[in-house]
This record gives sequence, C-alpha cells and structure tokens, in this order.
Amino acid sequence: NAGVTQTPKFRVLKTGQSMTLLCAQDMNHEYMYWYRQDPGMGLRLIHYSVGEGTTAKGEVPDGYNVSRLKKQNFLLGLESAAPSQTSVYFCASSYRRGTSRHYEQYFGPGTRLTVT
Amino acid sequence: QKEVEQDPGPLSVPEGAIVSLNCTYSNSAFQYFMWYRQYSRKGPELLMYTYSSGNKEDGRFTAQVDKSSKYISLFIRDSQPSDSATYLCATGTPSTGKLIFGQGTTLQVKP
Repeated sequence: NAGVTQTPKFRVLKTGQSMTLLCAQDMNHEYMYWYRQDPGMGLRLIHYSVGEGTTAKGEVPDGYNVSRLKKQNFLLGLESAAPSQTSVYFCASSYRRGTSRHYEQYFGPGTRLTVT
Repeated sequence: QKEVEQDPGPLSVPEGAIVSLNCTYSNSAFQYFMWYRQYSRKGPELLMYTYSSGNKEDGRFTAQVDKSSKYISLFIRDSQPSDSATYLCATGTPSTGKLIFGQGTTLQVKP
C-alpha cells in the first residue's frame, strides 16, 4: 500500500496563478483533510471531508476550495495564489467515526508551495 | 488564545537525557489526546494516543494527561539522536472527526 500520496511535491507559483494539489489514499478511509504548516503555527486545518461528495471548512479556509468526487481523492485548489499561501501543505486521511482507531490520521509527505 | 498551546522550543538535550514535552488546552470537551512525531521534511506520524487522564507507556515513551488542569505531557527516557524531530500534541472530540494541533516542539538529541 502506498498510504497517502500527494502531487506535486514542490511548486513555485506567481501571484495570481492557480493550481490544484492532489491527495490520494488507498486505505479506503472515509475522512480526508487538508492542512497547512507554517513555522511556529503548527498544523492548521483548511478543509476536510467526511465522505465522498461532502466537504466542510476548517480553521483557515479562505482562498482555497476543495472537491471530493471520489472516495480515494481529495483535491485542494488555489484560484488566485497569494504570497500568504506560501506554506507546506499536508493531506491526511482517517477511518470514519465509530470505527477502531478513527482518531489516527495518516499523513502524506507534503507539498512545498512558494508564491512569489 | 489558541485552543492548544505548545512551547515551540527548540529543545536541545544530550543523549540519554529524559525529555519532557508539554501542552495545555482550553476546551474541556476534548476527549482524546495524541502525540505525533514529525521528522524533517516528512509528514507527521502518530506516536502515542490516550483517551483518559493518567499515564500510558510505550517503550521509552510515556504520555500523561491531566484533564483537571488541561495539561498533556510526553516523556522520553534514555533519549537517542534518532528521537530528534518535531513533536506535535493534538486533541479532539469524536463528534467532529477533527484534531486541533499544538505548534510543535523541535527536539534535538546530541550524541
């Protein structure tokens, strides 16, 4: 099993450009999450999904959109990138509430995004 | 005020030292508590989990939760250079499926 994979690993954007980050998991997890990690800020939740076709806002959703068309994929979009979105982005997945170890989130390797 | 507070460090100790990492949280509704370990340029991975007050031990690692004071601790005995990483505390409630993370503490264990 590959676990959680993220594409791309690195990206440099100019202000105003758009891009989509792809997260894929092969563990049949119901829940998926997008976080950003900045120095001194820990992991902050951007958006999450509790199942195929459903998404919800997290702590810092502004400037991002998401889609979960397939259970195994969770896409994060930046429509008009800003320098404040320079960060490391992590995707994670977990079993649904009520199953054993539902609390354990499995993380991908991250995408390093720089917006100039 | 952040819901979970963690001293970012960095913390530098000699090999073999006992390390104490700590977090405080503000929401008494939080029911489960975790420690994640993150090596440089990697994603976090779950290290310890506990659902109640008290201690939980796993090898050289002990997780401690005091719900009355809203305090979470991780102790590492006989620390090794391979323990050098960032340690993130996390907490949440089963009803939301979400975790709230602390800022992370960067630990360096020197040989």
